[in-house]
Amino acid sequence: DTAVSQTPKYLVTQMGNDKSIKCEQNLGHDTMYWYKQDSKKFLKIMFSYNNKELIINETVPNRFSPKSPDKAHLNLHINSLELGDSAVYFCASSQTNRAGNTIYFGEGSWLTVV
Amino acid sequence: AQTVTQSQPEMSVQEAETVTLSCTYDTSESDYYLFWYKQPPSRQMILVIRQEAYKQQNATENRFSVNFQKAAKSFSLKISDSQLGDAAMYFCAYRSALGNDMRFGAGTRLTVKP
Repeated sequence: DTAVSQTPKYLVTQMGNDKSIKCEQNLGHDTMYWYKQDSKKFLKIMFSYNNKELIINETVPNRFSPKSPDKAHLNLHINSLELGDSAVYFCASSQTNRAGNTIYFGEGSWLTVV
Repeated sequence: AQTVTQSQPEMSVQEAETVTLSCTYDTSESDYYLFWYKQPPSRQMILVIRQEAYKQQNATENRFSVNFQKAAKSFSLKISDSQLGDAAMYFCAYRSALGNDMRFGAGTRLTVKP
């Protein structure tokens, strides 16, 4: 029944590997996001999709590629992982013009690159 | 770009007492939303309270209330009757009514002493 669910929750992988994090929301929202939280706990937006269309693409290495097959899903694929990619990645969603556009977060995916 | 500043990296409070967390923001817009999120050690981002900028009345949710000073661009969070479960990182966030993302402050770590 989780509103925003992301998998896997924990991921340990070696440098150079390619990995994906999946996200699904069952809230019927039209906008989805990926945020990155680094070791200093700073939260920074990476991407935002509205109705499957990319609307925010912050300065993120092109090794990161989001994919939105439909409004309810936004997956994050990362190529050639680097040590600095270690972080917690949060998927989130919101509905335009409802509840102050409140963003609802998933539980986070802890990525560790070794 | 809008910025959100939380000037208190750490705060502590005695159980059952009251604590206030500070937040200021910078914007040239008149219509926006402000939020406080709580992040316990599990890293889940939990919405605590939301304030619409067009509302003069301060938002309240049980033991949590805000002091919204629009002219001063200040948005502090007051936690009354603090409980051990309130211990967490607290993030202040700003969202433009027209924008598609949420900007976060650096967070305040709250410790509750028994």
